[in-house]
Amino acid sequence: GAGVSQSPSNKVTEKGKDVELRCDPISGHTALYWYRQSLGQGLEFLIYFQGNSAPDKSGLPSDRFSAERTGGSVSTLTIQRTQQEDSAVYLCASSQVAGYRYEQYFGPGTRLTVT
Amino acid sequence: AQSVTQPDIHITVSEGASLELRCNYSYGATPYLFWYVQSPGQGLQLLLKYFSGDTLVQGIKGFEAEFKRSQSSFNLRKPSVHWSDAAEYFCAVGAEAAGNKLTFGGGTRVLVKP
Repeated sequence: GAGVSQSPSNKVTEKGKDVELRCDPISGHTALYWYRQSLGQGLEFLIYFQGNSAPDKSGLPSDRFSAERTGGSVSTLTIQRTQQEDSAVYLCASSQVAGYRYEQYFGPGTRLTVT
Repeated sequence: AQSVTQPDIHITVSEGASLELRCNYSYGATPYLFWYVQSPGQGLQLLLKYFSGDTLVQGIKGFEAEFKRSQSSFNLRKPSVHWSDAAEYFCAVGAEAAGNKLTFGGGTRVLVKP
């Protein structure tokens, strides 16, 4: 079956512009996670969604970052007024249910470069 | 707060040789431990996980890991490495106190020499 997909695979943007990154989770998975992978910082949790519950936004680095999940499926991570330090690979993952006991399936990521 | 340390940033191993990747965690109670692999241009794939029970766990692709509470370690091993094992490996920990998110180590990049 189809795995987690992310688009675009690569995004180059100018400093100060807004960007939107998209994640399509595995069908039927109720939990969706966003992580950021950058040099020097490793893999950092950003946000997760579980069904209709309020998302856990505790990992978002600033108020320039936001995410939404429409219809319990597709999610969009938005970065406003991008900065060079936002350059990273943004990974999305989904699992059947939220919880560390449930395997998270990762997408290939979106590589964001801010110039 | 929980944390994960992977002391080796890079490891080079010859094809056919054994491989051991180190992972140390810091957490007050028994954590839930994972190893993921990331091949170039790919997302992360779960190799194995430990929740409880037998401290030696078997995973996919011939990997195994051993949980040692006394050493706060969860090292990953493979007896004979294949060229396709060249990738980056991440140890991660989950815990009830941290909710539903995983905390990852910094990763170890494995290079395989022919």
